[in-house]
Amino acid sequence: GQQVMQIPQYQHVQEGEDFTTYCNSSTTLSNIQWYKQRPGGHPVFLIQLVKSGEVKKQKRLTFQFGEAKKNSSLHLTATQTTDVGTYFCLHSSNTGKLIFGQGTTLQVKP
Amino acid sequence: DGGITQSPKYLFRKEGQNVTLSCEQNLNHDAMYWYRQDPGQGLRLIYYSQIVNDFQKGDIAEGYSVSREKKESFPLTVTSAQKNPTAFYLCASSIAGQLANQPQHFGDGTRLSIL
Repeated sequence: GQQVMQIPQYQHVQEGEDFTTYCNSSTTLSNIQWYKQRPGGHPVFLIQLVKSGEVKKQKRLTFQFGEAKKNSSLHLTATQTTDVGTYFCLHSSNTGKLIFGQGTTLQVKP
Repeated sequence: DGGITQSPKYLFRKEGQNVTLSCEQNLNHDAMYWYRQDPGQGLRLIYYSQIVNDFQKGDIAEGYSVSREKKESFPLTVTSAQKNPTAFYLCASSIAGQLANQPQHFGDGTRLSIL
C-alpha cells in the first residue's frame, strides 16, 4: 500500500543552524501538505504543494515538491528556539486516503 | 472567532466504560476528522465524515464510534472494546472532503487516560 516515510525522526540543532525534514513516498503523490505542532499543542497548517517541482517560501521556510511528485522537503533557515516542535507532512492518495508522515521533532539549543 | 472546540481537555476513563469526546466547529466546514496521537508518534485517522449523516472508517476505527447528525458536531465515543485508549485525540475539519485536498484545522485536543 501507499506509504510516506518522513526523516529524520528527531533533529537537534544549535540556534541559528538550518533544519530540513523530508517526506518520501513509494508512489506518486497528488499533493502534499505540511503542518507544525508545538509541544502540547495541535497541528497547524503551513502550506500545500501541488505541482511537480514546486517551490514555495514563507519567511525562513522553503518547501519543495519533487519533479516526480514522490518526495517533498521543508527547509528552515537560522532556527530559533520558537521553532521547536514536530513537523508533519500529509498527503491524500488518489483514492482519498489521508496519510500523515511520522513527523520530525525539532529541538533547538540556545 | 471561528474555530474548533474540543471538550473536555482531559478525560479519565474507568475500565469497561464508554466515554464521549466532543468536537464542535463554527467554520461551516463540510468535512470533519478524528485522529489519535500516541507519544512521539504521528497522527492516525480514526473516522472521518465528508457530509452530515455520513462517515467512514479510517485506519484504526476498531473500538470507536462516531455520529454526524449536525454539520457543526462530530462526537467520538471510545468504547470499552478499545483496549488501549490512552492517547491524545485530535478533531479536525476542512472546507470539503479529503479528495478536495483542503487544509485541515485542528482543535486543541483531548487527553484521555485510563484510571
